[in-house]
Amino acid sequence: DAKTTQPTSMDCAEGRAANLPCNHSTISGNEYVYWYRQIHSQGPQYIIHGLKNNETNEMASLIITEDRKSSTLILPHATLRDTAVYYCIVLVTGGGNKLTFGTGTQLKVEL
Amino acid sequence: GAVVSQHPSWVICKSGTSVKIECRSLDFQATTMFWYRQFPKQSLMLMATSNEGSKATYEQGVEKDKFLINHASLTLSTLTVTSAHPEDSSFYICSARDGSGRKNTEAFFGQGTRLTVV
Repeated sequence: DAKTTQPTSMDCAEGRAANLPCNHSTISGNEYVYWYRQIHSQGPQYIIHGLKNNETNEMASLIITEDRKSSTLILPHATLRDTAVYYCIVLVTGGGNKLTFGTGTQLKVEL
Repeated sequence: GAVVSQHPSWVICKSGTSVKIECRSLDFQATTMFWYRQFPKQSLMLMATSNEGSKATYEQGVEKDKFLINHASLTLSTLTVTSAHPEDSSFYICSARDGSGRKNTEAFFGQGTRLTVV
């Protein structure tokens, strides 16, 4: 699976949009981009995933560049409860494919 | 989203004893489950892949005789930490994917089990 690079930490003011970048320059054509987050002392929570088109759900939006070498997770109106470590993962999907976690981005949402 | 439940949420055990952690998919069938371990301030490290009805596949460096995995049904996988030692104290997390045949599915995680060996 392709390796990803994320900033170690980011801060965001409550109510503002949080834009979390991820570089995956070695991604291959059949690899999806997945985003998960982990709030302290809990299991990871699925956020969103996509292949090449931008995606949006009730939690976030995922913007993937045309060359697919990077993506941005957008939390449109961050709240204090969005403080967590956010993980960007790329992999070929399938029932047996395993998620490999990098170090992620620690997002701190502040008043 | 689908629900994956782990039990117990936390456990304290004496050194040398064994501890079993259960992982259940509550509303879907999971042909494959994954077990992770997470030490403080570190990321999740995959320990093994648990396949229903067959032997688990362990990641390099994970002792299969120490971390026994059983995946006897499509909704239950168990991890048994045998002869636990203080260095096994960690946060253990399982995940599962819907095995209904749909591709492009996300994995769902349990809430984790905090193991402390004293």
